[in-house]
Amino acid sequence: DSGVTQTPKHLITATGQRVTLRCSPRSGDLSVYWYQQSLDQGLQFLIQYYNGEERAKGNILERFSAQQFPDLHSELNLSSLELGDSALYFCASSALAGATDTQYFGPGTRLTVL
Amino acid sequence: GQQLNQSPQSMFIQEGEDVSMNCTSSSIFNTWLWYKQEPGEGPVLLIALYKAGELTSNGRLTAQFGITRKDSFLNISASIPSDVGIYFCAGRTSGSRLTFGEGTQLTVNP
Repeated sequence: DSGVTQTPKHLITATGQRVTLRCSPRSGDLSVYWYQQSLDQGLQFLIQYYNGEERAKGNILERFSAQQFPDLHSELNLSSLELGDSALYFCASSALAGATDTQYFGPGTRLTVL
Repeated sequence: GQQLNQSPQSMFIQEGEDVSMNCTSSSIFNTWLWYKQEPGEGPVLLIALYKAGELTSNGRLTAQFGITRKDSFLNISASIPSDVGIYFCAGRTSGSRLTFGEGTQLTVNP
């Protein structure tokens, strides 16, 4: 158990819909990262927040957005869903935002878009 | 963007055999990491390498940070059934953002 929690574990929805994925980092960790893992693309970095502020942005679509709240939990919002958005979405957290900070991954949310 | 080429894509071995997998990149990385992912779980960090040429062990696992800073390998000695999973390399340039390889699926036959 990494200490990072993600809800829900599974999510099935239809194209065009909007969903929210939730992540609670390890106690004391200030950074939260979101990754997408699809069958044909491996793990892709989406976005990082540090202490409530956006810190780094990766291959995140404009239809996707994220935020980190004052209690440090984070939400990833996916809208106008397409079939290709079906994937595992992982959240990771680290103590700070440094280059040597270990990222601890949650168990993931499996999103299926029908 | 940066890409990591990980090989092999999959391996089927007998219990007790040694395993080797590697990652290469056209870009230089300052940190190389190796993760293992089991079904239904998120990746778990196995080994972190911070310096070119560094060789680090964690039990039966050994990993090296290539001298050119563009490659890394992971060796597993005397494999056991619980080594089954997907092994990912990941590289980091500056900041904390990770670039992942596509993974090596390891199957160990008892």
